[in-house]
Amino acid sequence: GIQVEQSPPDLILQEGANSTLRCNFSDSVNNLQWFHQNPWGQLINLFYIPSGTKQNGRLSATTVATERYSLLYISSSQTTDSGVYFCAEYGNKLVFGAGTILRVKS
Amino acid sequence: DTEVTQTPKHLVMGMTNKKSLKCEQHMGHRAMYWYKQKAKKPPELMFVYSYEKLSINESVPSRFSPECPNSSLLNLHLHALQPEDSALYLCASSYQERRELFFGEGSRLTVL
Repeated sequence: GIQVEQSPPDLILQEGANSTLRCNFSDSVNNLQWFHQNPWGQLINLFYIPSGTKQNGRLSATTVATERYSLLYISSSQTTDSGVYFCAEYGNKLVFGAGTILRVKS
Repeated sequence: DTEVTQTPKHLVMGMTNKKSLKCEQHMGHRAMYWYKQKAKKPPELMFVYSYEKLSINESVPSRFSPECPNSSLLNLHLHALQPEDSALYLCASSYQERRELFFGEGSRLTVL
């Protein structure tokens, strides 16, 4: 099945800093999603982005399907951005990456 | 606000208890899912209910049994659980399989 690799595994930022999270895929990208899991456990949809670029406020995402990777950009980070960021893609079922744990310090 | 509603938010049960987790969505989605998530791990698929057909992850033990009373409800019945079943249980839905997934807030289960 498809393999999903996320990097970095951990990231500590000072409030106001920018960051880039990356997902690499072993197979074709057709239904890529980015999620943010908040400290209470809820998985929040950030982007459904099989290809191209999307922006939502301080967050944006780019998927280059031909090269099997996706990037999530967080600008002007805030403490509420802390949590775990997952990307996921379908093989036989939805496969999640291991996640990036983000801590934003005030 | 999430459009996938899970109850209860927290559940503590003994190994001999029978309990249920409930999930409801009002988005007209035709696929619903149960995921299990242990601490510091990504979610793992347990069940998919799509167009009245149930698909089961074969690694899920029979002490977990899903029930789909209608297209907007998906329950998870729990019986004779083990302490290692303690986890966050996440319900999700999508318009159809292999489309954008929307998750509920989760039910945190503790088995004593």
